[in-house]
Parts: sequence; structure tokens; C-alpha cells
Amino acid sequence: KAGVTQTPRYLIKTRGQQVTLSCSPISGHRSVSWYQQTPGQGLQFLFEYFSETQRNKGNFPGRFSGRQFSNSRSEMNVSTLELGDSALYLCASSLIPRTGPTYEQYFGPGTRLTVT
Amino acid sequence: GDSVTQMEGPVTLSEEAFLTINCTYTATGYPSLFWYVQYPGEGLQLLLKATKADDKGSNKGFEATYRKETTSFHLEKGSVQVSDSAVYFCALSDSSGTYKYIFGTGTRLKVLA
Repeated sequence: KAGVTQTPRYLIKTRGQQVTLSCSPISGHRSVSWYQQTPGQGLQFLFEYFSETQRNKGNFPGRFSGRQFSNSRSEMNVSTLELGDSALYLCASSLIPRTGPTYEQYFGPGTRLTVT
Repeated sequence: GDSVTQMEGPVTLSEEAFLTINCTYTATGYPSLFWYVQYPGEGLQLLLKATKADDKGSNKGFEATYRKETTSFHLEKGSVQVSDSAVYFCALSDSSGTYKYIFGTGTRLKVLA
């Protein structure tokens, strides 16, 4: 079974630009979560989508947005990029909606975004 | 709110040494607890999990026991290998209704041959 895939793996953008990252979950997984990983802040939750609806959102500015398609693939968009947005963006998928606190998340390899 | 605290790294050990990485948590209710591992250049991989008090998760020689009385979930391995060098993250999935994952800051492990 194929794992979570993220594209592109590496990206270099300049300040003020916008960027779109893509995530394809494991087949059959309907929940997709996004995280930002930086050396200073560690792993920070961005948002989670299930059945094309955002179910949870972290404490990030409105420049960060996402969506999920009917095939469960998800995209996140960052507008007006800032230097501080340089990070590894991780996507994780899970099999079931939250019927309890025991669901497992499976992570993709991440997209390394560098803002110059 | 809920939180996870891990010991600061890096932890440097010689091959075949005993490993302990401490993790404590603060949570209301009964969270599930996880250890994830991140190898260089890769995403996170689930290493083990425990869903209720006194559960022991184990995988690849690693173990962790869900201790509700001490709110801890320490990771242990009896004999580490060079290939275990990675960053280890402790995490909880809260039970407050949002079921968000909360991660610790990660502990880097370096194993020397």
C-alpha cells in the first residue's frame, strides 16, 4: 500500500509570493492534517480536514489556508510568504474520523519550503 | 491546555547502551500516547502507542508504558544501534473532543559505533 505522498519535496520562493503544497493520503484514509516543523518551534498543528471540511485549526494567521478534495487529496496554500515561513511542512493521514482518541496518523516525507 | 514535555537533547550513547528518553504529559481525560521517530530527511514514523493506563507499547526493541499516576510515557531500549540515530517525538491525542495531536519538542539521539 502506498504511503502518504507530498509534492513537491523541495521549494524555494521569495518573500511576498504564494505557494501551494499538495498531499495525497494513504488510500482509504479520509482525514488529512498539516503540520509546520521548524527547529525553533518544533511541530505545530496547522489544520485538519475530513470529508472536504476543516475540522480543526491551529494558531496560524489567515495567510495559511487549505482544502480537501472529494478524493481526500489535500492542498495547503500560504500567501504573502515571509522569511519565517521557511519550514518543513508535513502532511499526515488517518483512516477513521475521530470516534475516539486512538486513531493513528501516518506522515508523508514533507515539503521543505525555503523563503528567501 | 494539554501539553507534552520531553527531555532536552541531544542524547549521545555508545552502541549497545541502554536508552531512556523521558516524556511527561499534561492532559485532561484519558489521552492516547505515541512515540514517533524521524530519520534524517524523512517524515515521522509511528514507533509505538498506548491507549490506556498501564498499557505497554513496543516495537523494534523499543518500549514505553503509559503511567497515569506519574503522567509519563518514557521510551526505553535495552541496546541501541547506530541505525537508531534519529529524532524521537512523544505525542498525545487529546480526548477533550478535538482529538488533536500534541507533540513534544523532540529528542535527538546519536548512537556512536
